[in-house]
Parts: sequence; C-alpha cells; structure tokens
Amino acid sequence: EPEVTQTPSHQVTQMGQEVILRCVPISNHLYFYWYRQILGQKVEFLVSFYNNEISEKSEIFDDQFSVERPDGSNFTLKIRSTKLEDSAMYFCASSLATDTQYFGPGTRLTVL
Amino acid sequence: EDQVTQSPEALRLQEGESSSLNCSYTVSGLRGLFWYRQDPGKGPEFLFTLYSAGEEKEKERLKATLTKKESFLHITAPKPEDSATYLCAVLRRNTDKLIFGTGTRLQVFP
Repeated sequence: EPEVTQTPSHQVTQMGQEVILRCVPISNHLYFYWYRQILGQKVEFLVSFYNNEISEKSEIFDDQFSVERPDGSNFTLKIRSTKLEDSAMYFCASSLATDTQYFGPGTRLTVL
Repeated sequence: EDQVTQSPEALRLQEGESSSLNCSYTVSGLRGLFWYRQDPGKGPEFLFTLYSAGEEKEKERLKATLTKKESFLHITAPKPEDSATYLCAVLRRNTDKLIFGTGTRLQVFP
C-alpha cells in the first residue's frame, strides 16, 4: 500500500540554524501539506501546496518557513532560523483531491 | 470559530469491553469529518471519512457515525492492540486545513 515517507526521523539542531525536512508524498497525489504537533498538544496545520504554489497557510507559517517541491517526488519544509519553540513533530501529508489526507510518520525536530 | 472537542481525554477498557468516543464539532460548512489513529511517536493513520449526517462507516471492531453536531467512534470488543490515541478532525468548505481535536487516549487491558 502506498504511503508517505519522511526523512530524517529525528533532527537535532542548534537555535538559529536552518533545517530542511523532507517528504515523499504518495505518488499520484496532487495536494501536499505540512502539520506540526508540539508534545502533548493538538496537530496544527502549517501549509498546503498545490500546483507548485502555496494554496493556504496558517499564522504559524511566517517568513521563517518555506516549502518547495524541487522535483517530481520530494516535498520539503525549510525553517531558516530555528527557535526553541519550533521543537515539535512535523508531519507531511498528501491527498489525491482536497479530501482525505494521508500522513507520514513524522520528523521529530529538537532545537537546542 | 471552528472547533473540535473530543471526550473523554482518556479511556481505560478491559479487553472485550465495548465503548464509544465522542467528537463534538462546530464548523461553518462541514466538508468532511475524519477519524485517525495515532500511536506514540507516529503519524496519524487514517481510519474513516464521514461527509453527511446519518452516515456510518465500519472497519473491523470500529464503527464511526456522524450527526450534525458530533461524531462517535464505537469500539466493539476491543483488544489490547487497539490501544492508541484516536483523533478527530474536520475539514471546512473552501479550505485545505484539517482542524484536529486533542484526541482520546485509549488503553485496553487484557
């Protein structure tokens, strides 16, 4: 069964450093998303991406964040200058239409 | 404001003891309601999508139902492997973002 994959599973970084989180969505899906979950809290929407552009973003997704689909299979989330409060699980998701979203296993980001 | 509230926060069941999880929602123009299962340190795993009041979906020991204000996830004769956090999320019309509840943490003891 096709699934969303994410790398790395765990990323440790120093405050102020740039990180890139990578995702391979399900191959025939057209819509891509990033969510995050701070420990013990709800899953929160960050951004959605369709047809090579951002279709929607939350107030969390400020200028420090960017997304890219550099080729036909990868979808990345970049955080330019990490802060302590960026420590969270980051989930990539994809969907065929604007409907059921399938999530990856997540990347645990720890900012020291 | 769109809101999703799940209850109870935690539920402990004996193996075989059936129960229900609740998801109450307030959203203007519901496009779909989704149930996911999340194991510790893992991503949400899709279970069901419900679109309109009266709809029901079933999978193994799980059955999801939907009314205009809430959804229930019924667990019949649960097993220890059903232990997980169950998340409810809604999708509003004209938006891409899922709005999640805080989840119900289910523990099933042998």
